Amino acid sequence: DIQMTQSPSSLSASVGDRVIITCRANQSVSSYLNWYQQKPGKAPKLLIYAASSLQSGVPSRFSGSRFGTDFTLTISSLQTEDFATYYCQQSYSNPFTFGPGTKVDIK
Amino acid sequence: QVQLVESGGGVVQPGRSLRLSCEASGFTFSNFGIHWVRQAPGEGLECVAVIWYDGGNIYYADSVKGRFTISRDNSINTVYLQMSSLRVDDTAMYYCARDEGTGKLDPWGQGTLVIVSS
Repeated sequence: DIQMTQSPSSLSASVGDRVIITCRANQSVSSYLNWYQQKPGKAPKLLIYAASSLQSGVPSRFSGSRFGTDFTLTISSLQTEDFATYYCQQSYSNPFTFGPGTKVDIK
Repeated sequence: QVQLVESGGGVVQPGRSLRLSCEASGFTFSNFGIHWVRQAPGEGLECVAVIWYDGGNIYYADSVKGRFTISRDNSINTVYLQMSSLRVDDTAMYYCARDEGTGKLDPWGQGTLVIVSS
């Protein structure tokens, strides 16, 4: 199975900060990389698909990029409702695999 | 609206079996694959099984291979996860999620909790 890593594992930030989360695959996944947001007690929510496409209804402050086997999720200006855990997921091969998550909390 | 609803979770002893259901509504069910994704308490996400739109392809995580079976009944818009030889480390919230074929999982159900304990 394809292994996914994320960094950092957690970060503290303030409202208005620019936040960047990195995800790496141990082999090529092309652009088959998705990002999800999960809040406590809730199911994950799709934010970004195909590395850089914004899911319908997701605020434009979220964006994704690909650099080879490295991927980034950027939140351009952190809002109160963005404090959550973020997961990357490869959909290049089954079974899909997720990164370990990055928890974003309030500084 | 597009919705997935899981059911069937509960408390079960190690070694026993349990069947989870994922009922869909609001879309043409037979056009979509369905994944089961689990999350142990305080842990990350793990895809345990997937079934394609027509049941023609099925994949399992190594951690459940040989113990879990995924199936679907397109006539009643439902996917099942039959779990056998349950272990304590199968304790988790189990979610089902729709896959339109591009690999993006959306939406997800609210989850059903499975606790394996003696």
